[in-house]
Amino acid sequence: QQQVKQSPQSLIVQKGGISIINCAYENTAFDYFPWYQQFPGKGPALLIAIRPDVSEKKEGRFTISFNKSAKQFSLHIMDSQPGDSATYFCAASSTGNQFYFGTGTSLTVIP
Amino acid sequence: GAVVSQHPSWVICKSGTSVKIECRSLDFQATTMFWYRQFPKQSLMLMATSNEGSKATYEQGVEKDKFLINHASLTLSTLTVTSAHPEDSSFYICSARDVRGHQPQHFGDGTRLSIL
Repeated sequence: QQQVKQSPQSLIVQKGGISIINCAYENTAFDYFPWYQQFPGKGPALLIAIRPDVSEKKEGRFTISFNKSAKQFSLHIMDSQPGDSATYFCAASSTGNQFYFGTGTSLTVIP
Repeated sequence: GAVVSQHPSWVICKSGTSVKIECRSLDFQATTMFWYRQFPKQSLMLMATSNEGSKATYEQGVEKDKFLINHASLTLSTLTVTSAHPEDSSFYICSARDVRGHQPQHFGDGTRLSIL
């Protein structure tokens, strides 16, 4: 059973555009929602994370929007750049417990 | 920021060989380390959770005699793939969480294992 559902599987965006990746979860005990960026041959790197007590968090060009009632959260990448081309994973966990990862989104930003 | 070092980054060996992968937390103490396996273009699959000083907890379907995990100190966990076969070829990634149990997990750069 997939604890965290992620879409789309792949995404192509033009340089300067907005990339949007969505995730949904079922377990209301989850209280931590990170996004990871992974380049080929590398481990995932934490990009940004949010807790359910806020609806939005912004760090530079990256924003997480969180909808607790809908049990959904999304990553927005503003002014997307070719260097943002990577695979993005959302995840969810409850304190002290394992992470459940989404299936990943392959983002390609074309110049 | 928190750094997790994984070694080796790439190993190629013959079938039947045992391979050890190390995962070190460089600037924090990790009570818990996680081992993942990742197939091409797929998500991370949790193999086991390793707690310092105790036996690892393996996920369903993961052979504990095949994938030996040792977490002898707060900064080092090892994964040994015993008698490796071509089907064990994969990308193995570790992550660590600090002793306070705070998220996030910090990931190593992974080990590409190729069994001939």
